Amino acid sequence: DAGVIQSPRHEVTEMGQEVTLRCKPISGHDYLFWYRQTMMRGLELLIYFNNNVPIDDSGMPEDRFSAKMPNASFSTLKIQPSEPRDSAVYFCASRGTGYEQYFGPGTRLTVT
Amino acid sequence: QQPVQSPQAVILREGEDAVINCSSSKALYSVHWYRQKHGEAPVFLMILLKGGEQKGHEKISASFNEKKQQSSLYLTASQLSYSGTYFCGEWTDRGSTLGRLYFGRGTQLTVWP
Repeated sequence: DAGVIQSPRHEVTEMGQEVTLRCKPISGHDYLFWYRQTMMRGLELLIYFNNNVPIDDSGMPEDRFSAKMPNASFSTLKIQPSEPRDSAVYFCASRGTGYEQYFGPGTRLTVT
Repeated sequence: QQPVQSPQAVILREGEDAVINCSSSKALYSVHWYRQKHGEAPVFLMILLKGGEQKGHEKISASFNEKKQQSSLYLTASQLSYSGTYFCGEWTDRGSTLGRLYFGRGTQLTVWP
């Protein structure tokens, strides 16, 4: 299996621009998680889905952030408009019937 | 709602042992341990379910004291490859697979030759 796939791997954008991060979970996994990692706040769960349905989005910072999962093999995390404080590494992870979460390689976002 | 890890950082010589602790203020159903190497994604090490279970992964083992709401990760005869940041995650949604995992801030482990 190819593992969790994320794109882009690096994104540099200017403040105010829209940013879209993409994730393809491992085939057959029915849970998908979006995390943000920073030095200040550590590894934070933003939102997670079960069978394409958002279950808990309490970690989404504010209305500028939105996430969708239109089907079992694709999810997006969108930031509009982006701000410098959104700079972080964003991880997508998926999980199947077990408890283990498989993380993607991450997207390093820099907002200038 | 986040478990507390200690210490924040550990520096070891190859072959030395280390213990990383994880404490929660809530009743735990399970504790999960992950390791993240620099510039990489976190990787699952092991899960401990309630009941004082111990598990092992290579020369890394862990214990879970449900009553004390604590878990400890034991690294024996550390190898250079053990360097990285170790995260514990707590799962408090008893009996449900829809609960979320809360990660601690991590313990940075550095092993020198």
